[in-house]
Amino acid sequence: EVQLVESGGGLVQPGGSLRLSCAASGFTFSSYAMSWVRQAPGKGLEWVSAISGSGGSTYYADSVKGRFTISRDNSKNTLYLQMNSLRAEDTAVYYCAKAEWGAWDFDLWGRGTLVTVSS
Amino acid sequence: DIQMTQSPSSLSASVGDRVTITCRASQGISNYLAWFQQKPGKAPKSLIYAASSLQSGVPSKFSGSGSGTDFTLTISSLQPEDFATYYCQQYNSYPPTFGPGTKVDIK
Repeated sequence: EVQLVESGGGLVQPGGSLRLSCAASGFTFSSYAMSWVRQAPGKGLEWVSAISGSGGSTYYADSVKGRFTISRDNSKNTLYLQMNSLRAEDTAVYYCAKAEWGAWDFDLWGRGTLVTVSS
Repeated sequence: DIQMTQSPSSLSASVGDRVTITCRASQGISNYLAWFQQKPGKAPKSLIYAASSLQSGVPSKFSGSGSGTDFTLTISSLQPEDFATYYCQQYNSYPPTFGPGTKVDIK
């Protein structure tokens, strides 16, 4: 079955760190660019970061640049998001998404993992 | 960044109604436009890519049109499972951006 399963969310204090993971199955993971997209409670969708299939190219939204790092391990079919210096405004459900052809034409989404930044 | 707007922000409709949602880009994006459906507490689901191409498995009651800056998503006959929030997204240029969403609920 083609699917993405996120994990690693939780409650963290402002200024803290968290690493999210996204396990992929059912497709050739290394052939596709992947992204993280987040959704704050009751709000819309916001693209956060993307990485090419090889991992050689990475992209970030201005809101997370310098604080978040996207990476992937193609041998483990897993995508990661290292989040440092977390702020209250980073509170959201984080989805991983697979691109179909390019870098951000998303055709498959995971169920998401909730990150809450609060003291 | 390219700004995406949607109208209306919400609408109430009855089962069997034909529903049209509009999405507008702040600059031309050719046909690099996708539509997603999201139900409460669930992940977004891809419906349409390249403005008018249906994703595999998506019923033909969904259709998309447009090019450049103006796009539409049409649901030909609304069913109970279609009540959800719909988002458009441009992927013509970095960074990819989403519209604010249109919530479709039951009249």
